[in-house]
Amino acid sequence: GAVVSQHPSRVICKSGTSVKIECRSLDFQATTMFWYRQFPKKSLMLMATSNEGSKATYEQGVEKDKFLINHASLTLSTLTVTSAHPEDSSFYICSATLQVGEKLFFGSGTQLSVL
Amino acid sequence: AQKITQTQPGMFVQEKEAVTLDCTYDTSDPSYGLFWYKQPSSGEMIFLIYQGSYDQQNATEGRYSLNFQKARKSANLVISASQLGDSAMYFCAMREGEMEYGNKLVFGAGTILRVKS
Repeated sequence: GAVVSQHPSRVICKSGTSVKIECRSLDFQATTMFWYRQFPKKSLMLMATSNEGSKATYEQGVEKDKFLINHASLTLSTLTVTSAHPEDSSFYICSATLQVGEKLFFGSGTQLSVL
Repeated sequence: AQKITQTQPGMFVQEKEAVTLDCTYDTSDPSYGLFWYKQPSSGEMIFLIYQGSYDQQNATEGRYSLNFQKARKSANLVISASQLGDSAMYFCAMREGEMEYGNKLVFGAGTILRVKS
């Protein structure tokens, strides 16, 4: 089946620094990727929809200047958490859709801890 | 309003027995898709099963089956012959609209399943 690789799996950073998370579709071209945030033992909340070659579409309440999304190619989308603060600590997970078919494939997630 | 409701925060099941995880949904769109995902402690999301709103039969995938009751707007997941490895968080999710509008999913709150030996 299709594979989505997400890196890094875990990152610890100091408050005020920026962190980049990569999401790659390894064996298919993903025209659309999604970024989710998950708090401990909570559901996944969609942050933004990332389309290759165009600006990301952010969900209501998500700060686009805080969470920068770049979808530069059909196999790579990045989420940059700028000037991270402790409240940004969370589990971030990406997903990608195949050109056809009903399934979304998810990355393995990134646990961000901001000190 | 909640679009996906999972009323069971946690469930226990004895190994080798069947278990049903509840999911109800709310949409006015005639075209929608319902998904179940499994999230083990490692955090990855594993696709289990899909049911389209126009599908005539309930979806099945190995030990997983979806009890789709359209009139009641419920899409319960049934896991037969539970295994210890089934212990995880289970999410029900819905996609509204036709495929060309994208695959944006709305997730329920999840149900933690624990399989006892």
